[in-house]
Amino acid sequence: SAVISQKPSRDICQRGTSLTIQCQVDSQVTMMFWYRQQPGQSLTLIATANQGSEATYESGFVIDKFPISRPNLTFSTLTVSNLSPEDSSIYLCSVTGTGLYEQYFGPGTRLTVT
Amino acid sequence: AQRVTQPEKLLSVFKGAPVELKCNYSYSGSPELFWYVQYSRQRLQLLLRHISRESIKGFTADLNKGETSFHLKKPFAQEEDSAMYYCALKDSSYKLIFGSGTRLLVRP
Repeated sequence: SAVISQKPSRDICQRGTSLTIQCQVDSQVTMMFWYRQQPGQSLTLIATANQGSEATYESGFVIDKFPISRPNLTFSTLTVSNLSPEDSSIYLCSVTGTGLYEQYFGPGTRLTVT
Repeated sequence: AQRVTQPEKLLSVFKGAPVELKCNYSYSGSPELFWYVQYSRQRLQLLLRHISRESIKGFTADLNKGETSFHLKKPFAQEEDSAMYYCALKDSSYKLIFGSGTRLLVRP
């Protein structure tokens, strides 16, 4: 299984600012995803991070608000821009290995916007 | 539309009682289904996947295509089973669609 780390683990940000979250995997992985878990809610997929090309966003999520980078097979970043209190959530990185059978999740980044 | 439904937000049972966490899905294709678990202060982790037909920590889940269900069962609940359980469906592009989750509380 893949070991995934995320930085920061939590942050408190002011309205209007941005936060960049890093996801690092200990091995090369095929696919990387970013999810959001709003308070008391389930996980919702934001986008698929594609290596060397633009991310693929789900309905309701746009690149201007959630720019994503994936420069190589072990690293990705998610930026949450122009923060508002509604962005307060846990953001999770997940990866699928070469077998594409299972997804492994990072520990999450808890964002609070004041 | 692809959807995963977990009708119960909270399931409370006594230790030693049987447990069944319900999951129904809607998917136009051959589904691949999973159960994920999140214990307190821990990350989300895979519990079961239907294609492996295994039993993990005493839990089993059988895919019933006729009823479009993938219920999670355990004959005798333990206190350490208390956690948040999510049913998830993997679509053809390897994305996971999650249900809303069921919190299982096992009382002593």
